[in-house]
Amino acid sequence: GAVVSQHPSRVICKSGTSVKIECRSLDFQATTMFWYRQFPKKSLMLMATSNEGSKATYEQGVEKDKFLINHASLTLSTLTVTSAHPEDSSFYICSASSRLRGGVGYEQYFGPGTRLTVT
Amino acid sequence: AQKVTQAQTEISVVEKEDVTLDCVYETRDTTYYLFWYKQPPSGELVFLIRRNSFDEQNEISGRYSWNFQKSTSSFNFTITASQVVDSAVYFCALSEAWNTGNQFYFGTGTSLTVIP
Repeated sequence: GAVVSQHPSRVICKSGTSVKIECRSLDFQATTMFWYRQFPKKSLMLMATSNEGSKATYEQGVEKDKFLINHASLTLSTLTVTSAHPEDSSFYICSASSRLRGGVGYEQYFGPGTRLTVT
Repeated sequence: AQKVTQAQTEISVVEKEDVTLDCVYETRDTTYYLFWYKQPPSGELVFLIRRNSFDEQNEISGRYSWNFQKSTSSFNFTITASQVVDSAVYFCALSEAWNTGNQFYFGTGTSLTVIP
């Protein structure tokens, strides 16, 4: 089956630094990738939708200048948390979308997640 | 409005008991997909099932079964003879197929603890 990887799986950084998280679709091309954020014991909240070659669409309340998303190719999207602060500590999950066989609907494949801790 | 509701926040059962996790969804689309994912403590989402809106047949996979009822907009998940390894957070999700970008709407999750 399709595989989506995320790197790094865990990262600890100091407050004020920037962190880049990569999301790769390993064996398929994903025209659309999604970034989710999950607080402890909470649901996944969609942060942004990223289409290859165009600007990401951010959900209401998500700061686009703080969470920079780049989708430069059909297999790679990156999320950069700029000037990170402790409140940005969270579990970040990406997913990549691929059209289902038969052409009706899409399948989403989720990455394993990245746990960010800002000290 | 919440598109996917999982009213049970936490459930505890004793090993070998059966347990049903509820999921109610809301959509105006006639074509949509429903999903269940398992999230163990490691955090990685484990895909369990996808069901499209035109297929109301119940599905059984080992100890897992799903009951899709369009009349009540529910897609419930039952684990029979629960095991400790079933302890995890379970998410129900909705995808509206014709939605641009194919966004997933997740429920708030049900944390299942199976006590040995």
